[in-house]
Amino acid sequence: KQEVTQIPAALSVPEGENLVLNCSFTDSAIYNLQWFRQDPGKGLTSLLLIQSSQREQTSGRLNASLDKSSGRSTLYIAASQPGDSATYLCAVSRSGGSYIPTFGRGTSLIVHP
Amino acid sequence: DVKVTQSSRYLVKRTGEKVFLECVQDMDHENMFWYRQDPGLGLRLIYFSYDVKMKEKGDIPEGYSVSREKKERFSLILESASTNQTSMYLCASSSDRLPYNEQFFGPGTRLTVL
Repeated sequence: KQEVTQIPAALSVPEGENLVLNCSFTDSAIYNLQWFRQDPGKGLTSLLLIQSSQREQTSGRLNASLDKSSGRSTLYIAASQPGDSATYLCAVSRSGGSYIPTFGRGTSLIVHP
Repeated sequence: DVKVTQSSRYLVKRTGEKVFLECVQDMDHENMFWYRQDPGLGLRLIYFSYDVKMKEKGDIPEGYSVSREKKERFSLILESASTNQTSMYLCASSSDRLPYNEQFFGPGTRLTVL
């Protein structure tokens, strides 16, 4: 059974720092990996989707990488801003046609001015 | 843009009431999901559907049922609400077309059962 772990569970950084959020998974037979952002009391917003054949995806200040062989993905946030404060979750979909992603518990990020 | 909407943002119900949570997506997605999210427990899958009138149990289906009569609409039903069903409920949808399994979420319904 796939297990997805996100470490650290919480992170507090000063504005302007570049930071890396980690996501690890136990089964490397994945179809894709998706990063989400969740603001308090809200739904999940999709940030980036990486297919298993890709190594990375970029959107603005965000860059997500995928290393299937080591079971790891990282989300890099450049020049962090207070508006980046949120919980970041990763989800892994298994190859073989399963519709069900496995979610990590998330990393709660606070960027203070 | 994909849009997933949920019928209520906040809902307060009494123990024993029958509760309906509605979810609608406008992107012709085949797959729809209901999750609940609780502090310390993360996202847990209640039910999902991969086609009209089709449903599959997730990890925690007890106390819930679902209905999918139309492709765009997926309803979650709490047959007799209990206080331990107080939670944030999240609906999501995804397509079988590329990119497969990219999930899109609704804004969530915060349900309180008194």
